[in-house]
Amino acid sequence: QSAPTQPPSASGTPGQRVTISCSGSDSNIGRNFVYWYQQFPGTAPKVLIYSNNLRPSGVPDRFSGSKSGTSASLAITGLRSDDEADYYCASWDDSVRGWVFGGGTKLTVL
Amino acid sequence: QVQLVESGGGMVAPGKSLTLSCEGTGFNFSSHGMHWVRQAPGKGLEWVAVMSADGSGQYYGESVKGRFTISRDNSKNTLSLQMTDLRPEDTALYYCARDRYHGSGSYFDYWGQGTFVTVAS
Repeated sequence: QSAPTQPPSASGTPGQRVTISCSGSDSNIGRNFVYWYQQFPGTAPKVLIYSNNLRPSGVPDRFSGSKSGTSASLAITGLRSDDEADYYCASWDDSVRGWVFGGGTKLTVL
Repeated sequence: QVQLVESGGGMVAPGKSLTLSCEGTGFNFSSHGMHWVRQAPGKGLEWVAVMSADGSGQYYGESVKGRFTISRDNSKNTLSLQMTDLRPEDTALYYCARDRYHGSGSYFDYWGQGTFVTVAS
């Protein structure tokens, strides 16, 4: 089992498109759905994307998810200053029979 | 509205035990699996445990297996986490989160605000 790997940081300017990658293994992302969570400092995480590419109601369509093989990506278009947060990918892992989170990516809006 | 409120955190010495609780309101508690997820200071999220809606099944993260026990009382809308043999690396904010099943998978759709556990001598 290999917990998903994310870049520790990402950045962009307002209006830009940024992507955050999440690289896992066959036992997690390769065989299961990917989920993305957004977390602002001092607050609980919030789900942004479920089942690889679906958005819960209330999540703007500026956020989108994709998955290919053992990797996934979160894309944010029309970047805004209030998108500055930590972003985590997550997936069920069949080998350890548990959820695994990526290490998180801190997004900075310049 | 859905609310999850954790309690029971505090400071405890290494090797000791502590039990956390989470009360769920505003939804049918007995219809949802429930999770514990923790976050060490300045670190990322780590899934701890899950219990099925009816309490018949549970899974644990590798780092807590054999030391932590998840349980629930659906008559009281309460989820618990009994933590034994605590270690300094268990120091974290512990969140309770609701499981939302969507047909072929599930995710954490509501989270509490967390209760902090410090393990130190």
